[in-house]
Amino acid sequence: NAGVTQTPKFQVLKTGQSMTLQCAQDMNHNSMYWYRQDPGMGLRLIYYSASEGTTDKGEVPNGYNVSRLNKREFSLRLESAAPSQTSVYFCASSEATPGQGALEQYFGPGTRLTVT
Amino acid sequence: DQQVKQNSPSLSVQEGRISILNCDYTNSMFDYFLWYKKYPAEGPTFLISISSIKDKNEDGRFTVFLNKSAKHLSLHIVPSQPGDSAVYFCAASAGAQKLVFGQGTRLTINP
Repeated sequence: NAGVTQTPKFQVLKTGQSMTLQCAQDMNHNSMYWYRQDPGMGLRLIYYSASEGTTDKGEVPNGYNVSRLNKREFSLRLESAAPSQTSVYFCASSEATPGQGALEQYFGPGTRLTVT
Repeated sequence: DQQVKQNSPSLSVQEGRISILNCDYTNSMFDYFLWYKKYPAEGPTFLISISSIKDKNEDGRFTVFLNKSAKHLSLHIVPSQPGDSAVYFCAASAGAQKLVFGQGTRLTINP
């Protein structure tokens, strides 16, 4: 099992460009998440999907969109990148189901994004 | 408003001694707490968790203590080993699937 995989590992964008970060999990998990990690700020939730076909905003959703393509895949899109979106992005998944409450989340290796 | 705080950005401990990492929270609705470990250039990995109905949970060298009245959580690592050098994040949940993370503490184990 690969667990949670993310592509690409690194990306450099110019201000205003768009891109999609891909995430896939092979653990048959219901819930998937996108976080960003900035120095001194821990991990902050951007969006999450509690089940296939649903998505909800997290703490810092502005400037991002997501798609839960199927149970395995959850993508994060930056429509018009800004320097403030320079960060490390992590995707995670969990067995948690709607109404169940939190369970441990399993993280991918991250995508390091720089916007110039 | 930072609901989960790790006030020590870094901690240095001698190999073989006890490492104690601390975490404070403000939301009394949090009912599930977790600790994650993160090496450079890798994603966080789950270490140990505790429900608010307990005050202690142990897994090998790792023990998590919860003091609900003080809204305080701590992770004890005994004995500390060089491979424990990493950034440690505490996280909390309020009955929903979302986790709120602290800022992290960088632990360095010295030989």
